[in-house]
Amino acid sequence: QVQLVQSGAEVKKPGASVKVSCKASGYTFTSYYMHWVRQAPGQGLEWMGIINPSGGSTSYAQKFQGRVTMTRDTSTSTVYMELSSLRSEDTAVYYCASNWNDVLGYWGQGTLVTVSS
Amino acid sequence: SSELTQDPAVSVALGQTVRITCQGDSLRSYYASWYQQKPGQAPVLVIYGKNNRPSGIPDRFSGSSSGNTASLTITGAQAEDEADYYCNSRDSSGNHRVFGTGTKVTVL
Repeated sequence: QVQLVQSGAEVKKPGASVKVSCKASGYTFTSYYMHWVRQAPGQGLEWMGIINPSGGSTSYAQKFQGRVTMTRDTSTSTVYMELSSLRSEDTAVYYCASNWNDVLGYWGQGTLVTVSS
Repeated sequence: SSELTQDPAVSVALGQTVRITCQGDSLRSYYASWYQQKPGQAPVLVIYGKNNRPSGIPDRFSGSSSGNTASLTITGAQAEDEADYYCNSRDSSGNHRVFGTGTKVTVL
C-alpha cells in the first residue's frame, strides 16, 4: 500500500532554514508527482508547490518563490522541501501528498515546524 | 481570481443531508477535489473528478459541479463525518493548485 513517511518535528530560529523529508513506498516513486502543503495552527490548507520525482522539475506557488526548494533522491524514493529565511508565520504542519489521478491522493502524516526565538 | 471560497461552517442533524459548496472562477474549467480533515490528522481525499470516490470512502459522499460552483453532498450524515472539509482545484492558469477556505461540518 502507498505510504508517505515524513521526518520528525523541527524547531528553528527566525532566519534559519528547515528541510523536511518525505519517503515514499508502495508504488513506483517516479510515476507520480509530489505536492507540498502546509497548515498553520488553526488555519486552512495552503498549497506550496509540486515536484516531478522523475526529472526533478518543480513549480512553486508565487507566495513561496525564492524561499522554497523542492528536490528528490530517486535512490531512496524521498522528496525534500526546504524553506529558508524562516519567520514566525512559517510555523505550521507541512504535508507531502502524492499526485494520484491528478489530485492529492495520498498524504504523509505531517511534520510540525516551529519557528521561535 | 484564483481563490476558492467556502462557507466557514455548516451543521446537519444526524442522518440528514448537507451540501458544502466551493466557488471560484477556475471551477468553470477544472474539477474540484474534496478532502476531509479531522482534528490532529492529515487530510483524506473523499471525492475527485466528476464524482469519483477513492476506495474505502462511503457512498454517502458525492460531488457535483455547475458553473463556478462545486459541491460536496453528504447524504445521511453520520457522527464520524464531523470534520473540516476543503476543496482543491487548479488555479486559473492551470499550472498551480489552490485550496478552498474550508468548511467545518458539525453533526448534531
